[in-house]
Amino acid sequence: AQSVSQHNHHVILSEAASLELGCNYSYGGTVNLFWYVQYPGQHLQLLLKYFSGDPLVKGIKGFEAEFIKSKFSFNLRKPSVQWSDTAEYFCAVSLMNRDDKIIFGKGTRLHILP
Amino acid sequence: DTEVTQTPKHLVMGMTNKKSLKCEQHMGHRAMYWYKQKAKKPPELMFVYSYEKLSINESVPSRFSPECPNSSLLNLHLHALQPEDSALYLCASSQAVRPGSYNEQFFGPGTRLTVL
Repeated sequence: AQSVSQHNHHVILSEAASLELGCNYSYGGTVNLFWYVQYPGQHLQLLLKYFSGDPLVKGIKGFEAEFIKSKFSFNLRKPSVQWSDTAEYFCAVSLMNRDDKIIFGKGTRLHILP
Repeated sequence: DTEVTQTPKHLVMGMTNKKSLKCEQHMGHRAMYWYKQKAKKPPELMFVYSYEKLSINESVPSRFSPECPNSSLLNLHLHALQPEDSALYLCASSQAVRPGSYNEQFFGPGTRLTVL
């Protein structure tokens, strides 16, 4: 069965530190890849997405992610985090041209110290 | 309009009550979803409607009954719920799968349900 693994369940960083959150998926076919963010008390928002083309995708709020097909990975990065980045981050995968379902990872709780 | 709206925001119900959650989108999306989210957990898929037909039911108990009256509306009817059903219920929508499409999902703010 297809699955999405997020390696870090809880990450604590100081402001201005660099961030990388890992995401790996298990599916050999063509995939769409997403990172969603859920700020405290708010609903899920799309941070960035990859469908095709340049494997380095840029999202909102200075986030970027790199799709490495050979590693089945889609890691999220930000060079310098801010206190306002404190949130839960979910990696998600959908299978291109299959059903309308996306599979979420378990999430990474990011806590930024001011 | 890139918004998914959900009503009510909060709902408290007893185990013998019948209530409904509502979701609406006007983005022309033809796939709509119900998810259940417990605290500090990812959303768990419950149902998917594609072109107003139920396409995925993730073995959800029959006390949850979805309905898609038209392409913009999605309801979730609740009856005889248990306290463990208390959670945030999220609605989402996306373009339905077709060749060349992609299904980025847009989420509503959710209904926080408490079952007493």
